[in-house]
Amino acid sequence: DGGITQSPKYLFRKEGQNVTLSCEQNLNHDAMYWYRQDPGQGLRLIYYSQIVNDFQKGDIAEGYSVSREKKESFPLTVTSAQKNPTAFYLCASSDRGPSYEQYFGPGTRLTVT
Amino acid sequence: GQSLEQPSEVTAVEGAIVQINCTYQTSGFYGLSWYQQHDGGAPTFLSYNALDGLEETGRFSSFLSRSDSYGYLLLQELQMKDSASYFCALAGAAGNKLTFGGGTRVLVKP
Repeated sequence: DGGITQSPKYLFRKEGQNVTLSCEQNLNHDAMYWYRQDPGQGLRLIYYSQIVNDFQKGDIAEGYSVSREKKESFPLTVTSAQKNPTAFYLCASSDRGPSYEQYFGPGTRLTVT
Repeated sequence: GQSLEQPSEVTAVEGAIVQINCTYQTSGFYGLSWYQQHDGGAPTFLSYNALDGLEETGRFSSFLSRSDSYGYLLLQELQMKDSASYFCALAGAAGNKLTFGGGTRVLVKP
């Protein structure tokens, strides 16, 4: 079955630690995205990538980093510089072009204490 | 930049019709998408309007008016499983990305 996987579903970290969230897709999509969702809020774009070895900052990129070394994978690192990292993180992918239809992974709920 | 406004919550009974409005500000865009998200789950794509007018997909319909910077999602014959959050999103002209509204929580009561 084609889809997007994110792991782990729940992640707990201490303040000051960097943490990497995994995102893998087998939909053969060129574009991949990372969003952050806070309780009762909409999705805010962190980073996106339209092609391997290229990515762009979204609206809230500070304190985050990404890489896109393979078409299937787009890991997100939440660094210690992110002031308020506790949130629900969603990865998505789409075909290249106006990305009106994106396919989302199940999300990772990160708690930093 | 781009911004979208939606009501925060709507409550209705089973079998009823609900309209979720979305007003937006943008300098240019390809179209308006709608997504559904159940609590704790992933958003799933519902509908897309590239042109003005109504798009119908089963019990759900979506409408866009570019001249009014306005769209809506119409949920008909409401079912309990329709209790979820619904997001409108602009497919941006600048870059291959979506800008989401804050979401409307729909609560369906028996």
